[in-house]
Amino acid sequence: QSVLTQPPSVSGAPGQRVTISCTGSSSNIGAGYDVHWYQQLPGTAPKLLIYGNSNRPSGVPDRFSGSKSGTSASLAISGLQAEDEADYYCQSYDSSLSGYYVFGTGTKVTVL
Amino acid sequence: QVQLVQSGAEVKKPGASVKVSCKASGYTFTSYYMHWVRQAPGQGLEWMGIINPSGGSTSYAQKLQGRVTMTRDTSTSTVYMELSSLRSEDTAVYYCAREIGYSSGWYAVGVFDYWGQGTLVTVSS
Repeated sequence: QSVLTQPPSVSGAPGQRVTISCTGSSSNIGAGYDVHWYQQLPGTAPKLLIYGNSNRPSGVPDRFSGSKSGTSASLAISGLQAEDEADYYCQSYDSSLSGYYVFGTGTKVTVL
Repeated sequence: QVQLVQSGAEVKKPGASVKVSCKASGYTFTSYYMHWVRQAPGQGLEWMGIINPSGGSTSYAQKLQGRVTMTRDTSTSTVYMELSSLRSEDTAVYYCAREIGYSSGWYAVGVFDYWGQGTLVTVSS
């Protein structure tokens, strides 16, 4: 079981804005550790989307944005497009004995 | 350009071992930590461990301690992940992923900028 919880699915019409939450605890996000986000298209390896809570690597559209507050982080996708339909994962670090690097449970984004 | 090329799919019987390779190119191999991440069919991502290609030091996820071994060969810029005592629950796609640093802050967390294409390991009798 992952220590970072995400909603299993979110959906939106083209052009809409959707947000994905990533809820942790005092041993990971709440401790201050940064959060990264990855996009995984079907049958492919994950791709880095957001790093250091809110930074976009070059080439990632500015429709994607990230934030962090308290024990949670969020990924927002504005102006939703058909090609955004994918699985999204948050990632952070956990200082407890359960592990070191941890991923969220994953969220499937469906474009209606 | 940076490339991580993994070995091909494997089918193993329960109790056997598997060794997956990840050959790096396009950058200085010893300058970046490498991680292994796996994904069971229809499931999420699970971090397995990390290896420092420079000195070979490793750290593994607690649940895999004693079964996983990560090594590297600097002469071929290749890292390896060996998993022993395989069980059906180990059926998954295994990825290698390069870690980059982005901040010197205390709470900076390694982030994975390049991933291998994945290697499917099937454990079945």
